[in-house]
Amino acid sequence: QQQVKQSPQSLIVQKGGISIINCAYENTAFDYFPWYQQFPGKGPALLIAIRPDVSEKKEGRFTISFNKSAKQFSLHIMDSQPGDSATYFCAATISGSARQLTFGSGTQLTVLP
Amino acid sequence: GAGVSQSPSNKVTEKGKDVELRCDPISGHTALYWYRQSLGQGLEFLIYFQGNSAPDKSGLPSDRFSAERTGGSVSTLTIQRTQQEDSAVYLCASSSRWGSTSQETQYFGPGTRLLVL
Repeated sequence: QQQVKQSPQSLIVQKGGISIINCAYENTAFDYFPWYQQFPGKGPALLIAIRPDVSEKKEGRFTISFNKSAKQFSLHIMDSQPGDSATYFCAATISGSARQLTFGSGTQLTVLP
Repeated sequence: GAGVSQSPSNKVTEKGKDVELRCDPISGHTALYWYRQSLGQGLEFLIYFQGNSAPDKSGLPSDRFSAERTGGSVSTLTIQRTQQEDSAVYLCASSSRWGSTSQETQYFGPGTRLLVL
């Protein structure tokens, strides 16, 4: 019930390409879905987040698409750059409660120059 | 500093020894979380403190794990009688006060890399 499933486990993209990472959740009480970016040796950092009242949110080259009926959301990185190479985690929580985040298993993205 | 800090950054210990990991949250943040990240895995929730409320310990994997938060600020995660399977990166995060619009945003520290030999 608390699980968030993330795919793919790893992703290799050419510079300038589109990176797509998918997540699915089970708990319908989740209503806040952040994506975190983690570089080696660092803690995760918030990248972008969405609430289920919108189907898409865009910030620069990063876009979250959200499908409430399917209980799925995805991260799209447009014009991927080598500096985007990192591990990306999707997460979910119940807003208004400062509850813990439930994380996906992570996707290791490599953008080739 | 402005961010979440953790110490030590690395810890090597022998099986059976106790270890203490420290977290200094962002000043003014009332919520504090501990997570564990095993190699190549996602983040596993361990424990959560919110203000003066009783902590949510539902994620602690065994009674060898405990945590406290003194004065509503600094937190210490203690692992007693460490086992090799405890080897992981232990991450601390904090978020702003209850009821604020940004309370869901958790800010992570760099983690403590624990290796149990």
